[in-house]
Amino acid sequence: DTEVTQTPKHLVMGMTNKKSLKCEQHMGHRAMYWYKQKAKKPPELMFVYSYEKLSINESVPSRFSPECPNSSLLNLHLHALQPEDSALYLCASSQTDRGWGQPQHFGDGTRLSIL
Amino acid sequence: SQQGEEDPQALSIQEGENATMNCSYKTSINNLQWYRQNSGRGLVHLILIRSNEREKHSGRLRVTLDTSKKSSSLLITASRAADTASYFCATDAVNRDDKIIFGKGTRLHILP
Repeated sequence: DTEVTQTPKHLVMGMTNKKSLKCEQHMGHRAMYWYKQKAKKPPELMFVYSYEKLSINESVPSRFSPECPNSSLLNLHLHALQPEDSALYLCASSQTDRGWGQPQHFGDGTRLSIL
Repeated sequence: SQQGEEDPQALSIQEGENATMNCSYKTSINNLQWYRQNSGRGLVHLILIRSNEREKHSGRLRVTLDTSKKSSSLLITASRAADTASYFCATDAVNRDDKIIFGKGTRLHILP
């Protein structure tokens, strides 16, 4: 079992739907991340939250909207997605977002399929 | 462009043999990490090596770092079926935005 919990594990939605992905960690980490991963590719960074504030947005389309309600929770709100958005969405956390040796802890992801 | 590039892209070896994967990167780094990803799962952090370190061990894992060649290697000794997974190196570069960039990964398959 991982210490970062993501729900749901699988999600199928139409292009007009609105849904949310959820991520939770109780390790006291103050940095949380969203990644997108296509099959047989490495994870691609989407967003970074540091101390509950958005610190990095990797030019992600506005149909993806992140939210960090508190230090333990991270949401990704989805609206009007495209078929090419089908992928594995991974959440991760680390003690801080400073790159000086901060291993990231990953959840098992939400596998998203857009019809 | 991606910071890290692993080779080989795929590797199949017999159980019990050693597996070696390499990672090359382009710019100066603070540290380099290796992660494992089993099929359908999230990534698991394996080991971190800092730019002033040359070698690090953790159980059956041995990582080397050559900053002059901008390369790292991951050696898994006495491989097991459970080592079948994708392995990614990740770097955080000096003067970047404190984020890590993953390489393309090596898919390792351990044959029984």
